[in-house]
This record gives sequence, structure tokens and C-alpha cells, in this order.
Amino acid sequence: EVQLVESGGGLVQPGASLKLSCVASGFTFSDYWMSWVRQTPGKTMEWIGDIKYDGSYTNYAPSLKNRFTISRDNAKSTLYLQMSNVRSEDTATYYCTSTTVALFDYWGQGVMVTVSS
Amino acid sequence: DVVLTQTPPTSSATIGQSVSISCRSSQSLLDSDGNTYLYWYLQRPSQSPQLLIYLVSKLGSGVPNRFSGSGSGTDFTLKISGVEAEDLGVYYCVQGTHDPRTFGGGTKLELK
Repeated sequence: EVQLVESGGGLVQPGASLKLSCVASGFTFSDYWMSWVRQTPGKTMEWIGDIKYDGSYTNYAPSLKNRFTISRDNAKSTLYLQMSNVRSEDTATYYCTSTTVALFDYWGQGVMVTVSS
Repeated sequence: DVVLTQTPPTSSATIGQSVSISCRSSQSLLDSDGNTYLYWYLQRPSQSPQLLIYLVSKLGSGVPNRFSGSGSGTDFTLKISGVEAEDLGVYYCVQGTHDPRTFGGGTKLELK
């Protein structure tokens, strides 16, 4: 059974940094592209970016690429999202997703990030 | 960016009724490789989204065959043939043909 478990969320002040993690199990993590997607409190969904199975290529939403960085550690079956200089509009639930057969075919339970002073 | 417009924003249905949801794209989603990267997801209340349909009409793993997808170019439809209680929630279409990947605004399916 595929499982994606995110962690690292919480309350963070504007301008701070935060790193989210996603531990994968139930499939060969190193064989597949992975992505981060976020959902605002108003339920709007936004793609953040993807990372190739070997970590050699990343692709980001243009509005986020200067502040967000996606990486992975295949030895630990873990995906990361480094967020810097966070803003109130980054308040959202962040989901880790896989692309095994299809785009975003499995999702984690999500982790909430609240940006507030 | 490609804009995906879903209609209706809300749909009310009785159990057993068939419903259709439309997703219209601001650009053709036909890729140069011949595939059309249009997907449908369901987010049940308080749950994560789950994949229903990929490549316009292919059923995701474990998805009941009362769900079907159709369309081409810029116009796509998700049909549920005989709504069941577990189908209630918000449906999203997503395109993966053009960067950045974009989501529709969602269609909430509720009980009448």
C-alpha cells in the first residue's frame, strides 16, 4: 500500500523559513517523479513543483521558484520542500504527491502551514 | 497560464442520479506527443484528493466504473452514472500539458 506522510508544518512568522518532509513507502520511491501541491484555506489548489526520480531536475510554479526548493533523499525515501521568506499567502495545507502511473496519483494526508505574527 | 473553468460550481444530486461536470480549458490540452494530459480528482470532506481519471478517460486504480471521462482539445466532461453517497465532495480537473500545471476551481457535489 502506497503511503505518503508529511511533517514539519506549523505556525511560522512572516519572513521565516520552514522545511517540510514527506516519507514515502509502498513503492520504489527512487523510480518516480514527486510533486508538492498546496490548498489554501479557501480550497484553491496550486501546484508548487516537481522533482525528477533521481533529483537531477526540478520544475516550479513561476510565482514560487525564487522562494521554494524541492529536493529528495532516495536513500531515505523522503521528499522535501524548503520554504523561505514565507508570506501570509503561503498559509495552506501542503500535500506531497507521487506520479507512478499518472500525475498526482497518490497524496499524503497533508500538513498545515500557518504564516502569522 | 492555462485557465481551467469548471461548471457548475455546485451540483445537487439524489442517490442514483447521473451527473456531469464540465472542465473547459483556455488552451488546447493536446500535447505534441499525442497525449492529452487532463485529470480528474475527488476530494471527500476532510480527506486528501484522490485520482479518478487520467489522460481524459482512463480510470484510476480502484475507481468504480460509474465514473467516466471524455472530451478533447479544450472541452472535457466527468460523468458519474448513478451517484452514491461516497461520491459526495469536491471534484477538480487538472491539466499537465502546459507549465505550470493548473487546477480548475472545483465542483462541489452535494445531496439534494
